Amino acid sequence: TQLLEQSPQFLSIQEGENLTVYCNSSSVFSSLQWYRQEPGEGPVLLVTVVTGGEVKKLKRLTFQFGDARKDSSLHITAAQPGDTGLYLCAGQAMEYGNKLVFGAGTILRVKS
Amino acid sequence: KAGVTQTPRYLIKTRGQQVTLSCSPISGHRSVSWYQQTPGQGLQFLFEYFSETQRNKGNFPGRFSGRQFSNSRSEMNVSTLELGDSALYLCASSRGDGDTEAFFGQGTRLTVV
Repeated sequence: TQLLEQSPQFLSIQEGENLTVYCNSSSVFSSLQWYRQEPGEGPVLLVTVVTGGEVKKLKRLTFQFGDARKDSSLHITAAQPGDTGLYLCAGQAMEYGNKLVFGAGTILRVKS
Repeated sequence: KAGVTQTPRYLIKTRGQQVTLSCSPISGHRSVSWYQQTPGQGLQFLFEYFSETQRNKGNFPGRFSGRQFSNSRSEMNVSTLELGDSALYLCASSRGDGDTEAFFGQGTRLTVV
């Protein structure tokens, strides 16, 4: 059982469409991060959210941390082929020894 | 500043052999964590080292071990390799002072044949 459940697992969309990826848990996280990983490379940190209800924007990407700090979402507006990759959420929680735990990821493919 | 460096990038070993992977963290970062990534299991935490001490450990058999040197560089070792150990091994560097923002290397792709 994943400590962080991501959905959907796979997403294939056309360029220009919008999408949302979700990251849910029954645990409370002190911080939550989103990473993007391309094939054969390591994950690259996109954002860290720490406050319940926090919203952060990174160009066309909008990240939200749930009020109860148990869930997060990543919304991409007008997706581009360059957004293709594996999106991973990761969180830090005291009940997991404060180590970073990862969701299984969402594979996004944006077709031109 | 330089990023996280992992060596080698690719490795092919046969069953029963052992392997050592290396990770040089970002300068000033004292924590190094290791992960195994496979298509079926995703990113699985192996262990974390901070100031030369193992601070956290995942659920992997004792064949997987690691260490950290005084300059924060880390190595992980896998002994008696099995086919199922084929994976991308990722190292992540962080400050380690409660800040878990992790910066990953490109990984070592290990293939066991």
